[in-house]
Amino acid sequence: AQTVTQSQPEMSVQEAETVTLSCTYDTSENNYYLFWYKQPPSRQMILVIRQEAYKQQNATENRFSVNFQKAAKSFSLKISDSQLGDTAMYFCAFMKPRPNFGNEKLTFGTGTRLTIIP
Amino acid sequence: EADIYQTPRYLVIGTGKKITLECSQTMGHDKMYWYQQDPGMELHLIHYSYGVNSTEKGDLSSESTVSRIRTEHFPLTLESARPSHTSQYLCASSQAQGAQGANVLTFGAGSRLTVL
Repeated sequence: AQTVTQSQPEMSVQEAETVTLSCTYDTSENNYYLFWYKQPPSRQMILVIRQEAYKQQNATENRFSVNFQKAAKSFSLKISDSQLGDTAMYFCAFMKPRPNFGNEKLTFGTGTRLTIIP
Repeated sequence: EADIYQTPRYLVIGTGKKITLECSQTMGHDKMYWYQQDPGMELHLIHYSYGVNSTEKGDLSSESTVSRIRTEHFPLTLESARPSHTSQYLCASSQAQGAQGANVLTFGAGSRLTVL
């Protein structure tokens, strides 16, 4: 079974600073997907960024980028120029493809509570 | 705007009551899911569906049941609620295999259930 580990339960940084959230995972699969989801307080969980394991290039979405190290099974999220609206729980998630049934069944880490300080 | 809706957002009930948590999506997604999330904890999949009349149990055992009679609707029912059912329940949906964005889940805002 796949496992996802987020070793930082809580982090806080000053507004405009850069912060990196760590995530490691364990799998014997070669093809899979990795995600970072954001859950603001009392609000919907939304996708931040997605990475396909077969792609060597790190995914980026505006201020958000990942450092995907497949051999090390590491998938960290970097938030540049952090903003107050980035305050949220951040979950790293793993998805194993199932060709006959489609891709589903995300395995989540325990989350990192990020606070951006004004 | 296409989205996924959950009701109620908050529910406080007594032990032994029957409850149904509603989940509807307007995106035409074939696949829908229910996750259970305890405070400060990761999400655990409890039910999922690939389409109408298809339901499967997830990784975490749950006493709840689900149904999928219509594509857009995926309600979760507890026949007799207990304090151990107190949790947040998140509904999600995704597109079918092969569609763009097929791997991405869209989540509802959640239903926070408290059983006294």
